[in-house]
Amino acid sequence: GAVVSQHPSWVICKSGTSVKIECRSLDFQATTMFWYRQFPKQSLMLMATSNEGSKATYEQGVEKDKFLINHASLTLSTLTVTSAHPEDSSFYICSPSGDLKNIQYFGAGTRLSVL
Amino acid sequence: DAKTTQPPSMDCAEGRAANLPCNHSTISGNEYVYWYRQIHSQGPQYIIHGLKNNETNEMASLIITEDRKSSTLILPHATLRDTAVYYCIVRVNTGFQKLVFGTGTRLLVSP
Repeated sequence: GAVVSQHPSWVICKSGTSVKIECRSLDFQATTMFWYRQFPKQSLMLMATSNEGSKATYEQGVEKDKFLINHASLTLSTLTVTSAHPEDSSFYICSPSGDLKNIQYFGAGTRLSVL
Repeated sequence: DAKTTQPPSMDCAEGRAANLPCNHSTISGNEYVYWYRQIHSQGPQYIIHGLKNNETNEMASLIITEDRKSSTLILPHATLRDTAVYYCIVRVNTGFQKLVFGTGTRLLVSP
């Protein structure tokens, strides 16, 4: 399968600070990037979809000014959680999508804890 | 995308076959059936997908009924490491379409 690298795997931050999560596709070009969020004991929820070089499209209820997505290259996308608050504590997972025989691969996830 | 229905949990003895069912009665003709699994605190892992024919790979087999309204994922010899939440998802394969996750089936493999 394709290799997806997501960093950091775990981050703790103080309330009000910003956190950046990186997602890289190491052996393929990701035309599209999906970002998901997963709260404890719940399923994955899509937050936003971005295409390389374009602005991201956010799902209903997801604040675009709070969750900044940059997809400037075909191998790297970042999600920045701005002014994080305890309710933003969650498991964030990226999924780059490219010409992979219609199979979508996922990063290992980033567990964010906001104190 | 069509909705899927899965049992919330299943148990399986180590070494036995695990058969995970999924109902997708509203599936469209151009929608594929995908299976992923998520081991605790990890990202989802692709298992297998198919349109209408049965599929098999090194991880599992996928059996799709002739009317395509349901499918079964088969893990032929379950191990403790197969304990995970298994998601059945239907999706078209045109363009880069998102995967919409349901609640899945929590499979517990016991010694």
